[in-house]
Amino acid sequence: SSELTQDPAVSVALGQTVRITCQGDSLRSYYASWYQQKPGQAPVLVIYGKNNRPSGIPDRFSGSSSGNTASLTITGAQAEDEADYYCNSRDSSGNHLGVFGGGTKLTVL
Amino acid sequence: EVQLVESGGGLVQPGRSLRLSCAASGFTFDDYAMHWVRQAPGKGLEWVSGISWNSGSIGYADSVKGRFTISRDNAKNSLYLQMNSLRAEDTALYYCAKDITPMGAADFIFDYWGQGTLVTVSS
Repeated sequence: SSELTQDPAVSVALGQTVRITCQGDSLRSYYASWYQQKPGQAPVLVIYGKNNRPSGIPDRFSGSSSGNTASLTITGAQAEDEADYYCNSRDSSGNHLGVFGGGTKLTVL
Repeated sequence: EVQLVESGGGLVQPGRSLRLSCAASGFTFDDYAMHWVRQAPGKGLEWVSGISWNSGSIGYADSVKGRFTISRDNAKNSLYLQMNSLRAEDTALYYCAKDITPMGAADFIFDYWGQGTLVTVSS
């Protein structure tokens, strides 16, 4: 089965731009989706597909992809963006299997 | 408003069974694939199992294959996870999640999540 790799922790100064990355073979064939999870809460979808935001997600969140790497960019990070971020995709086999990255803890300084 | 409400979690001894349920409302349940995702205490998310809108396509993570069975009852707008031969490492918060694309096998994009039901496997 596939694996997706994320940096465990990233920090950003308030108002600055931060990029969170996700690497894996499945990303050569499938787009990553990104989820934000705050303590004690269920995950929330923030980016999916090529660069799509669900309704209600601020436009400071954007996504991109190149080769086996997907990125979530937050332009002008806010204090409320401090959270865990997870990427996921379909498994590279194309079978009915899903995979998540290990998650990135984002700290807004 | 889309709502997913999980139930059935609890404390169970190793080797025993448990059945989780997810009651869905606010959308046409039988149009969408559904999934179970779990999160062990203090750990990351793990996809557990998924089922297409018509139950024609089903998948399991290697960690639960052969022990867990996913199913759905479209007439009751409900998703289930039968968990057998439970192990300590199955201890987690189990989320029910809706796939984003209608009438597909699954896109593995989860646009709505429940609040989860906690399963604790311990003697």
